[in-house]
Amino acid sequence: GQQLNQSPQSMFIQEGEDVSMNCTSSSIFNTWLWYKQEPGEGPVLLIALYKAGELTSNGRLTAQFGITRKDSFLNISASIPSDVGIYFCAALFLNAGKSTFGDGTTLTVKP
Amino acid sequence: DTGVSQDPRHKITKRGQNVTFRCDPISEHNRLYWYRQTLGQGPEFLTYFQNEAQLEKSRLLSDRFSAERPKGSFSTLEIQRTEQGDSAMYLCASSLGPPDQETQYFGPGTRLLVL
Repeated sequence: GQQLNQSPQSMFIQEGEDVSMNCTSSSIFNTWLWYKQEPGEGPVLLIALYKAGELTSNGRLTAQFGITRKDSFLNISASIPSDVGIYFCAALFLNAGKSTFGDGTTLTVKP
Repeated sequence: DTGVSQDPRHKITKRGQNVTFRCDPISEHNRLYWYRQTLGQGPEFLTYFQNEAQLEKSRLLSDRFSAERPKGSFSTLEIQRTEQGDSAMYLCASSLGPPDQETQYFGPGTRLLVL
């Protein structure tokens, strides 16, 4: 089946640093989504991308839908301790219903 | 709170018992999804409904699993004769929107532990 390769698997950074993570696939998708999940909770939607090449920001977060439609990246600028969590990419085909998820990037921010 | 809600949040059961989870989607969302998540992995799709119709089921959904959405609003996921391998977080999500702008919003999940 379709798989998303998400990297890096984990990151340990200092407060104030910028962060970049990405997802790649061998398949072409119509939608890319980025979620954040904290322990014991469900994923919370951060950014949704619907068009190839689209660049969207949500506060300190910026995500892009790759021009080939096979990848996406998420950047976090000026990280703060509350950015700690697991970040997941997800992608969908048009009319497919289900999302395919990456295995997450665990972010640790040291004050 | 108008988000997706799930009940219970936690469930501990003995192997062989049946369990049922409930999901209440965001009001007026016509699509509802069930996912399963194990530690260190992303959510894996189980099944989804458009209104009351179950449109797709993953091969992960063995015959011990059944999901319903009888009135097109809340949904239930039942696991019969639970096994230790069923231990996981069960997530529900809902969405509304045109197919080219599908955005799924997740509930807090039900964490199942099978002893």
